[in-house]
Amino acid sequence: GQQVMQIPQYQHVQEGEDFTTYCNSSTTLSNIQWYKQRPGGHPVFLIQLVKSGEVKKQKRLTFQFGEAKKNSSLHITATQTTDVGTYFCAGVFYNTDKLIFGTGTRLQVFP
Amino acid sequence: EAQVTQNPRYLITVTGKKLTVTCSQNMNHEYMSWYRQDPGLGLRQIYYSMNVEVTDKGDVPEGYKVSRKEKRNFPLILESPSPNQTSLYFCASSLYPGSTDTQYFGPGTRLTVL
Repeated sequence: GQQVMQIPQYQHVQEGEDFTTYCNSSTTLSNIQWYKQRPGGHPVFLIQLVKSGEVKKQKRLTFQFGEAKKNSSLHITATQTTDVGTYFCAGVFYNTDKLIFGTGTRLQVFP
Repeated sequence: EAQVTQNPRYLITVTGKKLTVTCSQNMNHEYMSWYRQDPGLGLRQIYYSMNVEVTDKGDVPEGYKVSRKEKRNFPLILESPSPNQTSLYFCASSLYPGSTDTQYFGPGTRLTVL
């Protein structure tokens, strides 16, 4: 079936280090969304990417959508303790109306 | 304040005892859905609703029922809960009738079935 794979599952970094999580699909995606879930909280929408090769930035966060629209990444520059949480990608496949979530990457930042 | 609310937030029950988790949104959203979150599995969609009286199965619908009699409410019903339904449940809504739109999530309901 249609799946969105996300790696790594966990990442521990020292505050100030960079962090990247990757999302991959075996088939082309219509678009991809990213969500952040703080510990004990609910997923909160961060951004949506639609165009091939699209790059969007939100302060220290950089989101990319691959040229083939099969992969995406979220990069955080100089992590802070407020970045702690689980980051999910969620892809929409062509000819469906379903949002398929990746398994998430849990980020821990040590001060 | 625009929000999605769920009740209860925490529930411990026993196998076979019917329960309902309520979900309500005040944003006049067309689309509502239910997800369950389990460690290592991410968020999996249980059921979704494009509009009033229109519901459809998601990826893991077995053991669950839903109804959409009003636009704002989308309750999740477990007729005969089993331990494998122990999970964290999220209700979500979006403005347009499609999951391609931004999803707004409720605070979650942690369910334990003994």
